[in-house]
Amino acid sequence: KAGVTQTPRYLIKTRGQQVTLSCSPISGHRSVSWYQQTPGQGLQFLFEYFSETQRNKGNFPGRFSGRQFSNSRSEMNVSTLELGDSALYLCASSLWGPTDTQYFGPGTRLTVL
Amino acid sequence: AQSVTQLGSHVSVSEGALVLLRCNYSSSVPPYLFWYVQYPNQGLQLLLKYTSAATLVKGINGFEAEFKKSETSFHLTKPSAHMSDAAEYFCAVSPMDSSYKLIFGSGTRLLVRP
Repeated sequence: KAGVTQTPRYLIKTRGQQVTLSCSPISGHRSVSWYQQTPGQGLQFLFEYFSETQRNKGNFPGRFSGRQFSNSRSEMNVSTLELGDSALYLCASSLWGPTDTQYFGPGTRLTVL
Repeated sequence: AQSVTQLGSHVSVSEGALVLLRCNYSSSVPPYLFWYVQYPNQGLQLLLKYTSAATLVKGINGFEAEFKKSETSFHLTKPSAHMSDAAEYFCAVSPMDSSYKLIFGSGTRLLVRP
């Protein structure tokens, strides 16, 4: 069974630009969660989707948004990038939600210059 | 609000020695508890999880963790460290409030000396 895939793996953007990250969950998984990982703040929850519905969102500004498609694939978008948005963005999928075993992708490394 | 505290940002052990990584959570109701491992340039991999079925939880790669409600702890142990165990370890909780998220501790980097 294929694992969670994230594209692209690496991104370099400049301040003010916007970016879209993609996550393809394991086949059959309906829950997709996103996390931001930085050396200073650690792993922080961004949002969770289940069957195209956002069930929760973390404490991030409105510049961070996401969505989930009918095939469970998910995208997250960050608009008006700031230097502090440089981070590893991790996607995780599970059958029903975060209390299940979550399978993480390798992440997208975003660098904002 | 729920929180997770991992004592020690770095732990160094000799190969073959006991590994003990500490995790305490704050909750009046025992949540779901997890330990994840992250190798360099990779995502997180689940080591084990506690879901109230048993207080001693066995995971992959010889790791285990014991849930102690009275101490609000969920420490991770391994009897004998191997060089391949060198990685960053994260304790996480999923609150029992249908918030659909994991709250992670700050992580502990395990160094294994030959």
